[in-house]
Amino acid sequence: GAVVSQHPSRVICKSGTSVKIECRSLDFQATTMFWYRQFPKQSLMLMATSNEGSKATYEQGVEKDKFLINHASLTLSTLTVTSAHPEDSSFYICSARSSSGGFQETQYFGPGTRLLVL
Amino acid sequence: GQNIDQPTEMTATEGAIVQINCTYQTSGFNGLFWYQQHAGEAPTFLSYNVLDGLEEKGRFSSFLSRSKGYSYLLLKELQMKDSASYLCAPMDSNYQLIWGAGTKLIIKP
Repeated sequence: GAVVSQHPSRVICKSGTSVKIECRSLDFQATTMFWYRQFPKQSLMLMATSNEGSKATYEQGVEKDKFLINHASLTLSTLTVTSAHPEDSSFYICSARSSSGGFQETQYFGPGTRLLVL
Repeated sequence: GQNIDQPTEMTATEGAIVQINCTYQTSGFNGLFWYQQHAGEAPTFLSYNVLDGLEEKGRFSSFLSRSKGYSYLLLKELQMKDSASYLCAPMDSNYQLIWGAGTKLIIKP
């Protein structure tokens, strides 16, 4: 159980284009989904937290107009990188958790999306 | 502030035992998670501790001391596939996971 998928796994795009990444919880309902970015040999950096049906909460320094997050259902969240630039090239990982309280707070991660902006 | 302290890198021999220590400071505490992350892949969940003591799960065990802000992950009978980064992630009062850079574990034959 607790499987999270992400699509696409890899994407190469031209500078200035937009890229959409999907995150799905396959066997549980995710009340909360998280979007992370990770540069090589660095720690996970939380970009934003999204709760189903409400606006995402962005971490300081993350541009909400550039990284659009939609959590339209309990099993799907999308991250759209708008007008991507080479510095946006990174490993984007989503995670999902089901409900509040203790072990239920376990975040299960998707396999990640490697974005390369040329 | 919130802080995680883990060794950057450790080396161990196949078949041996290794203990990865983690000290933390968080605003509130709602348990501590350990994740494994192989190079180029996303983290995978290993364990969760919320009460003091040892939780054993196969070859992996995790220990927590809340009063000391300390946890460790114990890996027994090391296998080459255990070469990975191990991330200690305490959860703060807002149920947010706090991430450090993790410990890169290198297993040698």
